[in-house]
Amino acid sequence: EAGVVQSPRYKIIEKKQPVAFWCNPISGHNTLYWYRQNLGQGPELLIRYENEEAVDDSQLPKDRFSAERLKGVDSTLKIQPAELGDSAVYLCASSLETGTGWTETQYFGPGTRLLVL
Amino acid sequence: AQKITQTQPGMFVQEKEAVTLDCTYDTSDPSYGLFWYKQPSSGEMIFLIYQGSYDQQNATEGRYSLNFQKARKSANLVISASQLGDSAMYFCAMRGGAGGTSYGKLTFGQGTILTVHP
Repeated sequence: EAGVVQSPRYKIIEKKQPVAFWCNPISGHNTLYWYRQNLGQGPELLIRYENEEAVDDSQLPKDRFSAERLKGVDSTLKIQPAELGDSAVYLCASSLETGTGWTETQYFGPGTRLLVL
Repeated sequence: AQKITQTQPGMFVQEKEAVTLDCTYDTSDPSYGLFWYKQPSSGEMIFLIYQGSYDQQNATEGRYSLNFQKARKSANLVISASQLGDSAMYFCAMRGGAGGTSYGKLTFGQGTILTVHP
């Protein structure tokens, strides 16, 4: 079974440029997450989707970040315009949520390493 | 709010020896899950083991076991018979259940870098 797929794996852009990341979750998983991981730290949640609905976007900097999950499958995270501080690894994860909330495992993709110059 | 603390920035172990990676947590949620992930230099987060707050027995998965002490709010990862391929960053994480303040999201610790020596 294929895991979570992300592209691109690496991206280098200049500040003020736009950038987009794509994620395809594990087949059948209804919940998708975007995390940001700064160097030397653990990942932090940016946004969580249950099917097509963004149910938690409280940590998403909405002035420059946007995300969508059309048809409840793959998802795109966009930054426009990028700032130097956006340099990080952007991780996508997915899970099959059954309702308890604390037992379901999130499976991560390989991440996109973003460098903003 | 939930908090995960990993106090060991780095650990060293000899190949074939056992090693314990520490994790303490704090939460007000009545039910929660504790997870350990491995992150090699390639960057992918690899799920290792899970422990539910109501589980009576410690979780085990192959060479990985989780030493869960609920009263002490600790969830240490034990790796037996270390291998060179175990060298990586290890993260402890927690998520809360339905009705809790941290439902759905994983809260991670700072991580511990494990180096296995031949």
